[in-house]
Order: sequence, then C-alpha cells, then structure tokens
Amino acid sequence: DAGVIQSPRHEVTEMGQEVTLRCKPISGHDYLFWYRQTMMRGLELLIYFNNNVPIDDSGMPEDRFSAKMPNASFSTLKIQPSEPRDSAVYFCASSPWLALAKNIQYFGAGTRLSVL
Amino acid sequence: GIQVEQSPPDLILQEGANSTLRCNFSDSVNNLQWFHQNPWGQLINLFYIPSGTKQNGRLSATTVATERYSLLYISSSQTTDSGVYFCAVGNQGGKLIFGQGTELSVKP
Repeated sequence: DAGVIQSPRHEVTEMGQEVTLRCKPISGHDYLFWYRQTMMRGLELLIYFNNNVPIDDSGMPEDRFSAKMPNASFSTLKIQPSEPRDSAVYFCASSPWLALAKNIQYFGAGTRLSVL
Repeated sequence: GIQVEQSPPDLILQEGANSTLRCNFSDSVNNLQWFHQNPWGQLINLFYIPSGTKQNGRLSATTVATERYSLLYISSSQTTDSGVYFCAVGNQGGKLIFGQGTELSVKP
C-alpha cells in the first residue's frame, strides 16, 4: 500500500483565500484523523472520522475550518477565509478498526501551508 | 485533559552515544506511542507501548503505566536518528495527545 497520501505537499496562499487540503487514507482503514502542527502548539488533533462520519471535531479552531469525508477513500480540510495564523503543517492519519483500540495511526507526509 | 510532558526538550549527541528520552503523563492511559519525526517532517511510528518493554534494533521503550511514565532508549546513536521524538497517549476513542517532543541532533 502507498500509505496515507496528502496533497498538496506545499501550499502558499494569500490571506482571505480559500484553501483545500486533501487526504487519501490507507485502503481499508476505518478511521481518519486531521492534525495541525505549529511551533507554539505542537501537534494537535483537529477532527476525526469513523466510517466517513465525524466523531469528534472539538479541536477545530473556528468556523473558518471545515472537514468532510464523502467516501472511504477521500477527505478534505478546508479553510475559508485563510489567515496568516493558519500557517502550519497539516497532517492526515488513518487507522484500521482493529488497531484503533491501540491508537496505532499511520501518518501522511503532511501539507505545509503558508498564508501570506 | 491529559497532560504529556517530555524531557529533555533538546539533546545533542556524538555518534555512537546512548540516550534516554522520557515521557510523563498526568492520567491513566490505555495507549501510548512513540513517534520519530525526521528532518523532512515525516512522522514514523516507533512503538505502541501502553505497558511493558519492547525492543526494535537499537531502539527500545519501557512504559510503567502505574507510575505514568515511558522511556525511549537509543543505543549507539547514528546521524540518521536525528529529528524530533514524540510521545503520544490516549485513553478514549481515537484521540491521541502529543507531547512537545524531544529534538535530537546526532553529530558525526
């Protein structure tokens, strides 16, 4: 398997623009997670899905952020409008059901977002 | 929520040296993982270790759940071990809480 695939790897945009980050989980994995990594806050969970349904979005910072999982093989994280403080590395991770009790999550390479 | 503290925050080693990284957590957990983030940003699972001891090559980890800490041992360090080591814990559902990491630099 190719692992968790995220696109784009790098995104540079201007303040106020809409940004869409994409994630393809490992085939057969039932759980998908979105994390954000910044110097100030470290790695923090934004939202996670089980069988395409959002389970916990308490980490989503504000209404400008939204995440969807229309099917088992694709998820998006959207920021609209983007702000400079959204600059960070955004990671997607997935986990198979059997491994979830062990929280074994497999991470993508991340998307480095810069909002100017 | 659970608090996760890692120490030391930074560590510089000469190639071949050994090191111990520590992770303290504030509540009982049923899951604990160690990750390595390499200089290119990739997060790699090292160990799933809610309790006990595991070894994988030059790396080993021990978790003492009753005392709420875990240790990651790196022996005979190599330059490729450089990067940031994260401890992450969980006690409900799929949520993982990450520590702030230990940044390791191994010099040739």
